[in-house]
Amino acid sequence: DSGVTQTPKHLITATGQRVTLRCSPRSGDLSVYWYQQSLDQGLQFLIQYYNGEERAKGNILERFSAQQFPDLHSELNLSSLELGDSALYFCASSVTGGADTEAFFGQGTRLTVV
Amino acid sequence: GENVEQHPSTLSVQEGDSAVIKCTYSDSASNYFPWYKQELGKRPQLIIDIRSNVGEKKDQRIAVTLNKTAKHFSLHITETQPEDSAVYFCAASSGTGFQKLVFGTGTRLLVSP
Repeated sequence: DSGVTQTPKHLITATGQRVTLRCSPRSGDLSVYWYQQSLDQGLQFLIQYYNGEERAKGNILERFSAQQFPDLHSELNLSSLELGDSALYFCASSVTGGADTEAFFGQGTRLTVV
Repeated sequence: GENVEQHPSTLSVQEGDSAVIKCTYSDSASNYFPWYKQELGKRPQLIIDIRSNVGEKKDQRIAVTLNKTAKHFSLHITETQPEDSAVYFCAASSGTGFQKLVFGTGTRLLVSP
């Protein structure tokens, strides 16, 4: 157990819908990251937050948004869902969020869009 | 941006043999290189990492080497066991004050008893 908690574990929804994925970082970690893992794209960095502020952005679609709250948990919002958004979404956390800090992954949320 | 290539895509070894997975990166500013192990349907698990000021790091049966000049790094697993079977990902990260891990495409390691 990495100490990073993600909910829900599984999510099935229809095209065009909106979902929210939730992440609680390890105790003491100030930075959270979101990654998407799909069969054709592999593991892709989406976005990073540090202590409530956006720190770095990757290939995150405009239909996707995220935030980190004062209690340091984070949410990833996915809207106007398409079949191609079906993937495993991982949250990770680290203490400082610097380039060379260890990041620990949660168990992921498997999103299926039908 | 950073690009990480990983080889081989699959690797089959007999129990007790050694396994080597190689990665190359493109961004000379990258300074952190973690390796993750992922079992089917589970989270990527950090198994070892190396920073750019170090050439080699070892942790029991696992070692990682880094050649900054050639921009490549490798994972070495000795005395492989069936429980080492999984997909292994290398990654590279650069930047100051933030981390964008760029992952390789993964190596499926199968250790046969």
